[in-house]
Amino acid sequence: RKEVEQDPGPFNVPEGATVAFNCTYSNSASQSFFWYRQDCRKEPKLLMSVYSSGNEDGRFTAQLNRASQYISLLIRDSKLSDSATYLCVAPQMGTPLVFGKGTRLSVIA
Amino acid sequence: ETGVTQSPTHLIKTRGQQVTLRCSSQSGHNTVSWYQQALGQGPQFIFQYYREEENGRGNFPPRFSGLQFPNYSSELNVNALELDDSALYLCASRAPTGANTEAFFGQGTRLTVV
Repeated sequence: RKEVEQDPGPFNVPEGATVAFNCTYSNSASQSFFWYRQDCRKEPKLLMSVYSSGNEDGRFTAQLNRASQYISLLIRDSKLSDSATYLCVAPQMGTPLVFGKGTRLSVIA
Repeated sequence: ETGVTQSPTHLIKTRGQQVTLRCSSQSGHNTVSWYQQALGQGPQFIFQYYREEENGRGNFPPRFSGLQFPNYSSELNVNALELDDSALYLCASRAPTGANTEAFFGQGTRLTVV
């Protein structure tokens, strides 16, 4: 079983919409969780870290559900510039970060 | 800027050749990981170095090898290049592996094998 699984999308949403992605993780020992954003042909960039139940940063909210072993990313008031691939990671202590394929988001005018 | 730098940014090689890619980690980060990312795929973990020792490896053949130097910079070497090795190669650095820390990526090296 893969460490993380995401719906690859694409999610096509209009500007101003709210969109949410889920990421399921396989190892219950994972203690920290990260969302990365990757633009086309660029490197992944850290978007949010989640160490407890959740984290919020402006229009972005990450939630952790340990019982069901998933993390979610909610984007409110979507902007054209939010179009990207969103990658989640759920490492165990000291282990390398292993990525899934990510979820592709296209925000349409 | 993450402070992680990779060189070169682009490279074209012929099948069967060998290539060395380089990465300078962020200051204070002694863990470096390498990833291969093909078009439309997520980054695939190749291996990780911690204090000059390999301490994790993904599903890549032995012709993918690496080094980490005392200053924590790193190299990725690929021998006997194949067409399927064409990809974006990403280096990421992290604080010590004892902590559950995020990784910061360099801008990548785009390798084309012809």
